Amino acid sequence: QVQLQESGPGLVKPSDTLSLTCAVSGYSIRSSDYWGWIRQPPGKGLEWIGNIYFSGTTYYNPSLKSRVTLSVDTSKNQFSLNLSSVTAVDTAVYFCARKGPGLFYFDYWGQGALVTVSS
Amino acid sequence: QSAPTQPASVSGSPGQSITISCTGTINDVGGYNFVSWYQQHPGKAPKLMIYDVTDRPSGVSNRFSGSKSGNTASLTISGLQAEDEADYYCSSYTIRSTWVFGGGTKLTVL
Repeated sequence: QVQLQESGPGLVKPSDTLSLTCAVSGYSIRSSDYWGWIRQPPGKGLEWIGNIYFSGTTYYNPSLKSRVTLSVDTSKNQFSLNLSSVTAVDTAVYFCARKGPGLFYFDYWGQGALVTVSS
Repeated sequence: QSAPTQPASVSGSPGQSITISCTGTINDVGGYNFVSWYQQHPGKAPKLMIYDVTDRPSGVSNRFSGSKSGNTASLTISGLQAEDEADYYCSSYTIRSTWVFGGGTKLTVL
């Protein structure tokens, strides 16, 4: 069974970099097509952040592209999100998810990690 | 990229049917048969309910169905049940090889 688990600081200061990691279990990160990050501000809708292939190829949401970096560590079977220069509007639950090989939807999701941006 | 438009809320009584629309553009919803729908209960991760416009993952009730006409996709839930009360989001692949989510619809079962 594919499982994803987000981890990282729950509180980040304004102007700092938000860093989260998604650990994948029950499935090799090399076997899937893309791995993605999606966020949800409190009480609001879902926003796609970006996808990364195990080889490192990335696609980003144009509105966040200048601040987002995705990376993958195949030796640890995990991938990561860095979001720089954060402000209060970046406060959200951040989900990691799998986009299966050749598929165009996210079939497995992590439980989500709340990150609050505050001094 | 702009989010596809969904109604903020819909409601229905148990046993009734409801439809949630998702209106995008030719660059996303209208241009690809890669529309998916997610159900989200409070405090939970989204759950895939429909993919590729009309297909249901294994384990999802056949009360859930999807369709598309032009730039608008739709999710229909028949035989409404109390457990269907949740937020629903459409999502589409786009011409820029990115993904976009609709604004979300809150379904209330009366």
